[in-house]
Amino acid sequence: NAGVTQTPKFQVLKTGQSMTLQCAQDMNHEYMSWYRQDPGMGLRLIHYSVGAGITDQGEVPNGYNVSRSTTEDFPLRLLSAAPSQTSVYFCASSYGQGTGNTIYFGEGSWLTVV
Amino acid sequence: AQSVTQLGSHVSVSEGALVLLRCNYSSSVPPYLFWYVQYPNQGLQLLLKYTTGATLVKGINGFEAEFKKSETSFHLTKPSAHMSDAAEYFCAVSRLSGGYQKVTFGTGTKLQVIP
Repeated sequence: NAGVTQTPKFQVLKTGQSMTLQCAQDMNHEYMSWYRQDPGMGLRLIHYSVGAGITDQGEVPNGYNVSRSTTEDFPLRLLSAAPSQTSVYFCASSYGQGTGNTIYFGEGSWLTVV
Repeated sequence: AQSVTQLGSHVSVSEGALVLLRCNYSSSVPPYLFWYVQYPNQGLQLLLKYTTGATLVKGINGFEAEFKKSETSFHLTKPSAHMSDAAEYFCAVSRLSGGYQKVTFGTGTKLQVIP
């Protein structure tokens, strides 16, 4: 049972480059999201999706783009990388409606922008 | 609106000592509360959660937390720390927003266990 799988694990980008962080889940979860984790700031929500074809902005969406063409996949695109986007990125999924649902996280992607 | 405050970004305990990680929340509606644990270089995983019912919640690895509405707290405890408990712990609160859950995480507490 793979759960939430995200790739790559590590990436170094030059300022201005673009890239896509891949995320897939095999639990048939409606709700998927991307967080970034920075020291002393906890996890901040970038974008989320409540189902295929439906996405919305979170707390820190600028510089990122997402799409949700299938239930399983939720890629995160960095349009033009900036040093401020150096962070650890986590993809997560959970059952859709209601609250109190457990969130399942991927292993993380360490991104450095130089 | 909702928020979570974790008191102490770093906590050190001796192996075998009591672990107490503090979490206070603010929520305009009855909260759902979580503790997640993150081991080095890994994603977060659920430790325990409070939804409704019993206010003392037991989780994995001997951890438990008590929901105290009057104190707006959800502190995490473990009677005896083990070296393997060294990790970062996140408290979180969720509520319904547009039919889906909106989760707010605290800033985390790193637990160091001293042999």
